[in-house]
Amino acid sequence: KNEVEQSPQNLTAQEGEFITINCSYSVGISALHWLQQHPGGGIVSLFMLSSGKKKHGRLIATINIQEKHSSLHITASHPRDSAVYICAVSTQGGSEKLVFGKGTKLTVNP
Amino acid sequence: GAGVSQSPRYKVTKRGQDVTLRCDPISSHATLYWYQQALGQGPEFLTYFNYEAQPDKSGLPSDRFSAERPEGSISTLTIQRTEQRDSAMYRCASSLDGGGFETQYFGPGTRLLVL
Repeated sequence: KNEVEQSPQNLTAQEGEFITINCSYSVGISALHWLQQHPGGGIVSLFMLSSGKKKHGRLIATINIQEKHSSLHITASHPRDSAVYICAVSTQGGSEKLVFGKGTKLTVNP
Repeated sequence: GAGVSQSPRYKVTKRGQDVTLRCDPISSHATLYWYQQALGQGPEFLTYFNYEAQPDKSGLPSDRFSAERPEGSISTLTIQRTEQRDSAMYRCASSLDGGGFETQYFGPGTRLLVL
């Protein structure tokens, strides 16, 4: 079992829909990261959070430390949101390494 | 520099050859990471540097893989005697100070194909 699990693996939505991508992890963490991988391959960091909720534009990320679960929400989705969204955790214990989920491929149709 | 750069962007090599990949991190960033990403998978940690020190290389898949950052800036990842299973995207990232709370900035990656 992977230390970081994402669901769904693939998601297709119509423009304007509210999107939720889920991430569960089984290890102790110091922080959780949400990343976006563009169709061209580049990776961009969207959020880093260790508690609560963060919002940036139409993107919202939440984390529940007790339940070891995080969600990424996209409001009013748009075709340009189509990408792979990756959840990653920084593990506890002073390690620098990120442990990544396999990603969720989102396709938003016009 | 303005962002993390990597070279080459694409590398095709024959099995058994050595390859060296280069990463140029953001100039003020102390910490540099190397990741391997297979097609359709998330990245996997290989190693990281804090300046020139390499505290963790636990993700390197075999002793054919090595990485250097001799002056604490540019880093290279070398794969000796390449095998077909080494074909993947190799990504470099850097962060200001390291630690789990730092945002990592990713380079465009080097796509390696071993024939």
